Amino acid sequence: TQLLEQSPQFLSIQEGENLTVYCNSSSVFSSLQWYRQEPGEGPVLLVTVVTGGEVKKLKRLTFQFGDARKDSSLHITAAQPGDTGLYLCAVPNNAGNMLTFGGGTRLMVKP
Amino acid sequence: DAMVIQNPRYQVTQFGKPVTLSCSQTLNHNVMYWYQQKSSQAPKLLFHYYDKDFNNEADTPDNFQSRRPNTSFCFLDIRSPGLGDAAMYLCATSSGTGILYSEQYFGPGTRLTVT
Repeated sequence: TQLLEQSPQFLSIQEGENLTVYCNSSSVFSSLQWYRQEPGEGPVLLVTVVTGGEVKKLKRLTFQFGDARKDSSLHITAAQPGDTGLYLCAVPNNAGNMLTFGGGTRLMVKP
Repeated sequence: DAMVIQNPRYQVTQFGKPVTLSCSQTLNHNVMYWYQQKSSQAPKLLFHYYDKDFNNEADTPDNFQSRRPNTSFCFLDIRSPGLGDAAMYLCATSSGTGILYSEQYFGPGTRLTVT
């Protein structure tokens, strides 16, 4: 059983649609990060959420940390082909020097 | 711009022929990481350095070694590549201090092909 379960694993949608992806766990975390990895590139940090119930927005992306700090969601409004990529959630260990990644959600946005 | 640079972006090597991948950073971060990522999977940590302090993951094969001669550079040596070592290799850094310690900054990766 993975520490972080991401769903769905794959998502293919049309440009302009809205979507939500999830990162779930039974453990409580001090913080959680979301990364986006475009094909052939390294992951890029999108956001870090720290406080239970916290909502952060990055243009058309809305990130929420669960009240109990066990889960998180990423909502994309009016998806564009440039949003295509692998979305990874990750949590640090207690020392903060290592990350555990979820399995990722692979998103494809078709024009 | 401060960044993490990996060279080469694409590397082809023969089965059993040693290969070295390089990573440099201009972020002046204390911590550097090497990950292996296979198709459609999350990155898998191989090892990391806090300054010169080397930390190996328990399941990293002995075939993989690393060197960090200074703060800016880190190398991944694969002594005898096998077909199963074909993957994307990612270098990352983190500051090593403060509340943002755990945030990692990745290079673009080196895609290794083993023939």
